[in-house]
Amino acid sequence: NAGVTQTPKFRILKIGQSMTLQCTQDMNHNYMYWYRQDPGMGLKLIYYSVGAGITDKGEVPNGYNVSRSTTEDFPLRLELAAPSQTSVYFCASSPPRQGASWTEAFFGQGTRLTVV
Amino acid sequence: GDSVTQMEGPVTLSEEAFLTINCTYTATGYPSLFWYVQYPGEGLQLLLKATKADDKGSNKGFEATYRKETTSFHLEKGSVQVSDSAVYFCALLGGSNYKLTFGKGTLLTVNP
Repeated sequence: NAGVTQTPKFRILKIGQSMTLQCTQDMNHNYMYWYRQDPGMGLKLIYYSVGAGITDKGEVPNGYNVSRSTTEDFPLRLELAAPSQTSVYFCASSPPRQGASWTEAFFGQGTRLTVV
Repeated sequence: GDSVTQMEGPVTLSEEAFLTINCTYTATGYPSLFWYVQYPGEGLQLLLKATKADDKGSNKGFEATYRKETTSFHLEKGSVQVSDSAVYFCALLGGSNYKLTFGKGTLLTVNP
């Protein structure tokens, strides 16, 4: 049972470098989310997606890009890394509504990113 | 838009004390409500959920009831343990859209 898999687990970037945080889910979930969690803080939504080809901005999208070419994958791209992007990044997925009810989202273990 | 407000803490209790963490929400439609727990250095795990009004979610001695009339989903446990020390997040899904909305989290520390 893989669930939601994020890679890498840890990464150190230099200012101005770029990278892609990978997120894959094997549960055939429609909805996927990217959050960041700064030290001692709550979760802030970066981007989310209802399915392949559809993405929406969350609270803090600036400095990030996403794509959703398949149901399984939802990569997050940092183009010009800045120290303010030092954070732990969590990817999550959830299935479509079951009748009138929404079931829970499943989370990956996170990617700890440091920008120096 | 949808929002979740929870007491931010930190909350410090002695072992076997009673725990309440308040959570209220604002949403249109019929969202599902969740409590997630995050242990130090780990990701988020679902603790319990309720998908419609008056449902009670329960797990590991924790309980929360979906109260539509007061738009609340307070987390309770009758007797906390040191191992319950963690950050607890209240969340909703499926209000005005499919966005998963979190409260700011409550840090709970339980002392022996």
